[in-house]
Amino acid sequence: KAGVTQTPRYLIKTRGQQVTLSCSPISGHRSVSWYQQTPGQGLQFLFEYFSETQRNKGNFPGRFSGRQFSNSRSEMNVSTLELGDSALYLCASSPTGNNQPQHFGDGTRLSIL
Amino acid sequence: AQSVTQLGSHVSVSEGALVLLRCNYSSSVPPYLFWYVQYPNQGLQLLLKYTSAATLVKGINGFEAEFKKSETSFHLTKPSAHMSDAAEYFCAVSAYAGGTSYGKLTFGQGTILTVHP
Repeated sequence: KAGVTQTPRYLIKTRGQQVTLSCSPISGHRSVSWYQQTPGQGLQFLFEYFSETQRNKGNFPGRFSGRQFSNSRSEMNVSTLELGDSALYLCASSPTGNNQPQHFGDGTRLSIL
Repeated sequence: AQSVTQLGSHVSVSEGALVLLRCNYSSSVPPYLFWYVQYPNQGLQLLLKYTSAATLVKGINGFEAEFKKSETSFHLTKPSAHMSDAAEYFCAVSAYAGGTSYGKLTFGQGTILTVHP
């Protein structure tokens, strides 16, 4: 069974640009969660999608958004990039998102210049 | 609301020694607890999970953890450390209580484990 796939693995952007990250969950998993990982703040929850609906959202500004498609694949978008957005962005999937172990991809390393 | 505290941001052991990584949680509802490991430039890999079935949980690579409700703890142990165990370890809690908890794991700050030959 294929794992969670995130693309691209690395991205370099400049301030003010926008970026889109992609996540393909494990087959059959309908819940996709996104996390931001930084040395200072650790792992922080961004949002969760289930059946194309955002069910939960963390404390991030509106510049961070996402969506989920009918095949459960998900994308997250960050607009008007800031230096502080440099981080490892992790996607995780689970069957339903309710108290289940989440399976993580290898992440997208975003660097803002 | 849930929270996780991992005591000790760095733990160093000798190869063959006992590994003990500490995790305390706070939750207003019965928690589900997880330990993950992260190797450099990789995502998180699930080591083990507590889902209220048994208080002593065995995971992969020889790791185990014991859920102690009275101490609100879920410490991770391994009897004999191996060089390949060197990585960062995260304790996480999930506590379903409706909309604000869907798909959300709350993580501790992580513990970097170093194994000396």
